[in-house]
Amino acid sequence: GAVVSQHPSRVICKSGTSVKIECRSLDFQATTMFWYRQFPKQSLMLMATSNEGSKATYEQGVEKDKFLINHASLTLSTLTVTSAHPEDSSFYICSARGGSIKDTEAFFGQGTRLTVV
Amino acid sequence: GENVEQHPSTLSVQEGDSAVIKCTYSDSASNYFPWYKQELGKRPQLIIDIRSNVGEKKDQRIAVTLNKTAKHFSLHITETQPEDSAVYFCAASILSGGYNKLIFGAGTRLAVHP
Repeated sequence: GAVVSQHPSRVICKSGTSVKIECRSLDFQATTMFWYRQFPKQSLMLMATSNEGSKATYEQGVEKDKFLINHASLTLSTLTVTSAHPEDSSFYICSARGGSIKDTEAFFGQGTRLTVV
Repeated sequence: GENVEQHPSTLSVQEGDSAVIKCTYSDSASNYFPWYKQELGKRPQLIIDIRSNVGEKKDQRIAVTLNKTAKHFSLHITETQPEDSAVYFCAASILSGGYNKLIFGAGTRLAVHP
């Protein structure tokens, strides 16, 4: 299958600072990227969907000014958690899919465990 | 809004037995239904998927069935092995705002005992 690389895998930051997480598709062009948040022993909660070159579409309840998503190229999307607080501590994981609107397999990054202290 | 419900949340079986996980979805426009397996500390991996124009699909010990009328789809694992132990997620893909987005069920923690 295709490879999606997410970086960093773990990050600890101080409350009030910002953290950037990168998601790269290494061997295919990701026309759509998804960002999820996963709490311990819980499901993958979709935060936002982005197409290359377009503004991200955020799910209800997700603050777009807090979770900034940029999908500047067909191989890179970034999620920036701004002014992080302890309640933002979680596992963030991206997935990417190629093609246009036709359904294709979504490949996941390895996830980023964010701890805000 | 879009919703995917998954049952059971935990499932414990003996090695060699079958395991069945069921999901329902709310949006009748959904047309793609993948199943992912997530082992502890690892990323979700696709194990099988089915599209809305097919009622059943099988890949060795794994099969998925889809009932579009009832908006149900199920994962069947036969001859379970300890290495099948993981969390399994169903998902439904819907077209919304020009995007096909994947909405996941809550997950099923499967434990296969030797």
